[in-house]
Amino acid sequence: AQSVAQPEDQVNVAEGNPLTVKCTYSVSGNPYLFWYVQYPNRGLQFLLKYITGDNLVKGSYGFEAEFNKSQTSFHLKKPSALVSDSALYFCAVSPNTGGFKTIFGAGTRLFVKA
Amino acid sequence: NAGVTQTPKFRILKIGQSMTLQCTQDMNHNYMYWYRQDPGMGLKLIYYSVGAGITDKGEVPNGYNVSRSTTEDFPLRLELAAPSQTSVYFCASSYSSRTGGLGNQPQHFGDGTRLSIL
Repeated sequence: AQSVAQPEDQVNVAEGNPLTVKCTYSVSGNPYLFWYVQYPNRGLQFLLKYITGDNLVKGSYGFEAEFNKSQTSFHLKKPSALVSDSALYFCAVSPNTGGFKTIFGAGTRLFVKA
Repeated sequence: NAGVTQTPKFRILKIGQSMTLQCTQDMNHNYMYWYRQDPGMGLKLIYYSVGAGITDKGEVPNGYNVSRSTTEDFPLRLELAAPSQTSVYFCASSYSSRTGGLGNQPQHFGDGTRLSIL
């Protein structure tokens, strides 16, 4: 079965330190990969996506993500965390064959301490 | 652009009541989706639509119905509300074309409807 795993329920990091939020997937073919962020009482907001090409993609608010095909991973990163980055982050995968439905991970809560 | 607009934002229902959650988008997106979000469970797809007049079931369609009479609107109907339907419901939309690659565009989400059934 196709799936997306975010192995950490919560990630804690100090402001100014680099952060990583992990995502691995089990989807056949060459899927499209996304990261979304959700702030309290809001819907998900698109951060970045990987379609093809360079394995390091840059997105909104200084976030970037590294695609690793051999490890089927798409980890979200930021060089220097801000308190305002504290939110719920979702990894999502969209198979590019046989349909378009997106599979979402369970989410990782990021807490940035001042 | 307002993006994706959902109404109401909050609602409390009694068991057995019915209601319609409204969703409208002004981006001329062809695809629209309804998800429910339960704590620690991510998003579960309830129904989706690839265009006006076309709808299909997602992972958890039981107890819900949808219609898509226009490109803009995609209401979700709850019949005979049950406590298990207490959740946060999100509507989303995206644009996809066969030439562009199915599913390679991000989804745009509304701010959700928080529904409690007591």
